[in-house]
Amino acid sequence: DGGITQSPKYLFRKEGQNVTLSCEQNLNHDAMYWYRQDPGQGLRLIYYSQIVNDFQKGDIAEGYSVSREKKESFPLTVTSAQKNPTAFYLCASSKMTGNQPQHFGDGTRLSIL
Amino acid sequence: GESVGLHLPTLSVQEGDNSIINCAYSNSASDYFIWYKQESGKGPQFIIDIRSNMDKRQGQRVTVLLNKTVKHLSLQIAATQPGDSAVYFCAENGGSNYKLTFGKGTLLTVNP
Repeated sequence: DGGITQSPKYLFRKEGQNVTLSCEQNLNHDAMYWYRQDPGQGLRLIYYSQIVNDFQKGDIAEGYSVSREKKESFPLTVTSAQKNPTAFYLCASSKMTGNQPQHFGDGTRLSIL
Repeated sequence: GESVGLHLPTLSVQEGDNSIINCAYSNSASDYFIWYKQESGKGPQFIIDIRSNMDKRQGQRVTVLLNKTVKHLSLQIAATQPGDSAVYFCAENGGSNYKLTFGKGTLLTVNP
């Protein structure tokens, strides 16, 4: 089945630790996105990538980093500089040809130990 | 800045009734809108989209209405079922070809 796979489903971070969230898609989509969702809130854009080896900051990029070495993969690193990392992280992808819906994975819930 | 918002944070309906979820947007550059459904612990699931050259679009049991004059978007769900219980988000593109801005969501609860 085509889709977006996020792993792990649950992740715990210690103080001062960097953690990396995985996102893989087999939809052959060019664009990929990372969002953060806090309880009772909408989705806020962290980073997005329109093409391999290129990415742009979203609205809340501070304390996060990404890479896009392969079309299928867009990992997100939550660094120790992100002081409030507890949230639900969602990865999405879409075609780049005109307005197309973004398709989401089932998220990673990150908590602080 | 401009943002997408929702009129009602919660909506409770009886099974079999029709549901209407509303969304206001303020970015006049937006020309593409999407509705998503999110169940607890899962990612948002695409329901239906509409472009600004249309004012109505129908899917299976769902209809999206777009009123560009008052910048209002609505999602109608016919014969609401318990499986429709979820949070519903609207999103707008702000004139972009790929970026979306999401509203905060409406929690729909369907009572048997």
